[in-house]
Amino acid sequence: EDQVTQSPEALRLQEGESSSLNCSYTVSGLRGLFWYRQDPGKGPEFLFTLYSAGEEKEKERLKATLTKKESFLHITAPKPEDSATYLCAVRQDSGYALNFGKGTSLLVTP
Amino acid sequence: SAVISQKPSRDICQRGTSLTIQCQVDSQVTMMFWYRQQPGQSLTLIATANQGSEATYESGFVIDKFPISRPNLTFSTLTVSNLSPEDSSIYLCSVEGRGTSYEQYFGPGTRLTVT
Repeated sequence: EDQVTQSPEALRLQEGESSSLNCSYTVSGLRGLFWYRQDPGKGPEFLFTLYSAGEEKEKERLKATLTKKESFLHITAPKPEDSATYLCAVRQDSGYALNFGKGTSLLVTP
Repeated sequence: SAVISQKPSRDICQRGTSLTIQCQVDSQVTMMFWYRQQPGQSLTLIATANQGSEATYESGFVIDKFPISRPNLTFSTLTVSNLSPEDSSIYLCSVEGRGTSYEQYFGPGTRLTVT
């Protein structure tokens, strides 16, 4: 069965303290791996799509990387406004469903 | 990316009643998707709504409980029927990005509480 596991479940960082979030996946035929940010009371906001191992994408303080088994979301010098839940999802070759992990809740304190 | 709105943003409903959630997109899209996000859980796809045809439901979801309408290329509704406390969740609609990028863009969600 396809599975997406995110770790850690929660992460507390001080402002400026860089770290990484992990997304491990097992899927037969990866069409894409997606990272989203979700703020309380809002829908997920799309961040990145990664399609193949070795691919990297960057946006401001965020950088996403992909291997054959996992993806990392690196957060460099985070700010309090980066506090949110970060969701990882995969889509396989067949079907339209995005299979989501449970997310990592990130809190960045001043 | 598409701009997606949902109504209502939240509601409190009694057991045994139904709630219909509306999803409006600012551009024409072929596919619309309905997800459920239960407390502490990940998002789960309920069904895919294609204009002009019956919705396709994922395993564990049935049309009698979650009837969907898709009357045109910018609008869809999801009804959650015969409500029980277990239906208390956030319900989200989404659409695919243009081209072949495969990402989905989500509406703000509807928070349903069943008492």
